[in-house]
Amino acid sequence: EAGVAQSPRYKIIEKRQSVAFWCNPISGHATLYWYQQILGQGPKLLIQFQNNGVVDDSQLPKDRFSAERLKGVDSTLKIQPAKLEDSAVYLCASSLVDHYGYTFGSGTRLTVV
Amino acid sequence: SQQGEEDPQALSIQEGENATMNCSYKTSINNLQWYRQNSGRGLVHLILIRSNEREKHSGRLRVTLDTSKKSSSLLITASRAADTASYFCATAGYSGSRLTFGEGTQLTVNP
Repeated sequence: EAGVAQSPRYKIIEKRQSVAFWCNPISGHATLYWYQQILGQGPKLLIQFQNNGVVDDSQLPKDRFSAERLKGVDSTLKIQPAKLEDSAVYLCASSLVDHYGYTFGSGTRLTVV
Repeated sequence: SQQGEEDPQALSIQEGENATMNCSYKTSINNLQWYRQNSGRGLVHLILIRSNEREKHSGRLRVTLDTSKKSSSLLITASRAADTASYFCATAGYSGSRLTFGEGTQLTVNP
């Protein structure tokens, strides 16, 4: 079974620039999550999709972050414009059943300078 | 704020010793999960324990759950250098609530 694919692996941008991350979940997993993990901290949920609908985006900074999941499969997370405090690892995860074992991708490490 | 809090923040042991990490949480849960994260990698799901379970085993892992104390522990027996990683507990509430992670315990197993 293929895992959760994420790209790019690393990204360095200047503040106020925009950036996009891509995630391809495990085939058949209806639920997809984007987490932000700041160095030394635990992951924090940004947004949760069930198929192509948003279930929870209460912690997504909607003035600069946006996410979509077209056709209920791949997903993209965008930041525009980026701030220094957005430097973190962005993790995508998927699960067959909500709130049971998640499978995480390797993440995208974003550095904003 | 995060639901789960791990203790200790960091743990250093010798290979062959047992490692115990604790997790406390604040509200009622449906289940509690433990994940491992190697440096620079994504998280790997280790084990899930439901709120009506008290103990669960998987290989060298043993997880306990005490819902009256709102706490869980993860025991790794006969540790190996390859067990060096950060370990996170995550709590899942009932339908509609998010899976919430703690801050993690950094485990170092010295050869």
